[in-house]
Amino acid sequence: GAVVSQHPSWVICKSGTSVKIECRSLDFQATTMFWYRQFPKQSLMLMATSNEGSKATYEQGVEKDKFLINHASLTLSTLTVTSAHPEDSSFYICSAGSPLFYEQYFGPGTRLTVT
Amino acid sequence: SQQGEEDPQALSIQEGENATMNCSYKTSINNLQWYRQNSGRGLVHLILIRSNEREKHSGRLRVTLDTSKKSSSLLITASRAADTASYFCATDAVPNFGNEKLTFGTGTRLTIIP
Repeated sequence: GAVVSQHPSWVICKSGTSVKIECRSLDFQATTMFWYRQFPKQSLMLMATSNEGSKATYEQGVEKDKFLINHASLTLSTLTVTSAHPEDSSFYICSAGSPLFYEQYFGPGTRLTVT
Repeated sequence: SQQGEEDPQALSIQEGENATMNCSYKTSINNLQWYRQNSGRGLVHLILIRSNEREKHSGRLRVTLDTSKKSSSLLITASRAADTASYFCATDAVPNFGNEKLTFGTGTRLTIIP
């Protein structure tokens, strides 16, 4: 199946700093990428949908100025958590979709810890 | 919230037994999918069932879908220790050629006891 990577796999940052997470589709062109957040022992909650070359669509309650999403190419989307706070500590997962596939492919996730 | 519900929240069974988990959702769907997530890892796609299908098999997995009850079940037969993971159902309401927005259920934590 198609492969999606995320980098970094884990990151620790200090409160007030910004962190960038990359999501790459390695062997296909992803017309759409999705960003999810998952708190411990909870389900995935969709944060935003990004389409290559256009602005991301954010879910209700997700601050677009805090979670900056850029989908600069068909193989790369980035999520930047700005001015991170301890409550932003979570597992962030991306997925990539293409009209070629019925299913989306998920990255391995990024564990963010804000101290 | 439009999130679906899964039950049980947690399930522990002996290796070799069958495991059944259920998913209920709230709105009309296009497809329903099941995913597995090992602790601290990404999601692995297991099976997709379309809204006009009632049952689907894949290896040791059997999925049923009842759109009148807005529910689905996932059966894992002859469980193995490697099946220990969290299982999520996910629905999409609008067909968008592989770019559908998914709504995930609350998940079932399955533990297989060797």
